[in-house]
Amino acid sequence: KAGVTQTPRYLIKTRGQQVTLSCSPISGHRSVSWYQQTPGQGLQFLFEYFSETQRNKGNFPGRFSGRQFSNSRSEMNVSTLELGDSALYLCASSLLGEDGYTFGSGTRLTVV
Amino acid sequence: DQQVKQNSPSLSVQEGRISILNCDYTNSMFDYFLWYKKYPAEGPTFLISISSIKDKNEDGRFTVFLNKSAKHLSLHIVPSQPGDSAVYFCAASGANSGYALNFGKGTSLLVTP
Repeated sequence: KAGVTQTPRYLIKTRGQQVTLSCSPISGHRSVSWYQQTPGQGLQFLFEYFSETQRNKGNFPGRFSGRQFSNSRSEMNVSTLELGDSALYLCASSLLGEDGYTFGSGTRLTVV
Repeated sequence: DQQVKQNSPSLSVQEGRISILNCDYTNSMFDYFLWYKKYPAEGPTFLISISSIKDKNEDGRFTVFLNKSAKHLSLHIVPSQPGDSAVYFCAASGANSGYALNFGKGTSLLVTP
């Protein structure tokens, strides 16, 4: 079966711009989570969506937001980009959320 | 603050020997622990997990041990193979954190022929 698909794989944006990243979970999975990976901070939880509702949120500023659609696909948006937002953004899906996650390959965002 | 810690950034092991990767956590409410393997430019791949009601879980060459009193878990890989060379992340979750995964910063394992 198809895995978690993230698009685009690579993205370069300018400071102050906004960006939208997309994630298609494994078919049947209703929970989608987003993580940010940076060399200094490691993998950090951004937020989790379940059945179109944000169920959990990490410690990130309000510039980071997300949503989930009725088909479980999810998008995350970062507004007013800063240089420090350069990172690998990973999406993970799970059947229910407490049974372990399968990760996508990530979107590498570079802010210049 | 880092609730999951992997204190060894790197580990080098000879092929055929045992690799032992360690992980410590501080939050006693964590009740589910996972190990992920990651190659550069790819997402983490799930390896093995253990719930807090167990102290050991095995899957082929991979065994995870959990010591709840010490808040410590370890991943044993026996025998180690060159293809095991990757970064290994320990993660912990619990109902009180909505099952969000709290990751350690990873241990880079190099298995040499």
